[in-house]
Amino acid sequence: GAGVSQTPSNKVTEKGKYVELRCDPISGHTALYWYRQSLGQGPEFLIYFQGTGAADDSGLPNDRFFAVRPEGSVSTLKIQRTERGDSAMYLCASSSPGLTQYFGPGTRLTVL
Amino acid sequence: AQSVTQPDIHITVSEGASLELRCNYSYGATPYLFWYVQSPGQGLQLLLKYFSGDTLVQGIKGFEAEFKRSQSSFNLRKPSVHWSDAAEYFCAPSRDNDMRFGAGTRLTVKP
Repeated sequence: GAGVSQTPSNKVTEKGKYVELRCDPISGHTALYWYRQSLGQGPEFLIYFQGTGAADDSGLPNDRFFAVRPEGSVSTLKIQRTERGDSAMYLCASSSPGLTQYFGPGTRLTVL
Repeated sequence: AQSVTQPDIHITVSEGASLELRCNYSYGATPYLFWYVQSPGQGLQLLLKYFSGDTLVQGIKGFEAEFKRSQSSFNLRKPSVHWSDAAEYFCAPSRDNDMRFGAGTRLTVKP
């Protein structure tokens, strides 16, 4: 079946701009996760949704970052006033609650 | 505090040689345990997982891992490495939907 998909695969933007990253989870998975991975590092947790609500957003670095999942399926990670330090790979994963997380291919964000 | 350690940043092995990648964790209670592999520019692919039961788990691509409670370890092994195994490997304990990743071990395979 279809896995987790993320769009775009690459995003280049200028400092100060607004960006949206999209994640389509595996059908039927109620849990959805966002991670950020900097070069040479392991993924770092950002936020976890159970259904439509954010069950844990403790990993969001500051208030420029927020994410939504209005219908409990597709999620969008939104970054305002981007900074060069936001450049990273953004990974999305989905799962049935408490079980194995399956990852998408990621979105490579570059802030110039 | 919960933490995971992969002591080896980079390992080089010859094709056909055996491999062991180390993972140690510190959690109040035994977490679920996962190994993922990441090829350059790609997402994470699940290799294997441990929830409970038999402490030796088999995964894809000929990988296996052994859970040792007394050592808080979950080391990944493969008896004979192939050139296509060159990648970054991440150990990831998870408890209550909170998954933490190690810093990763980069595997280079020599011909």
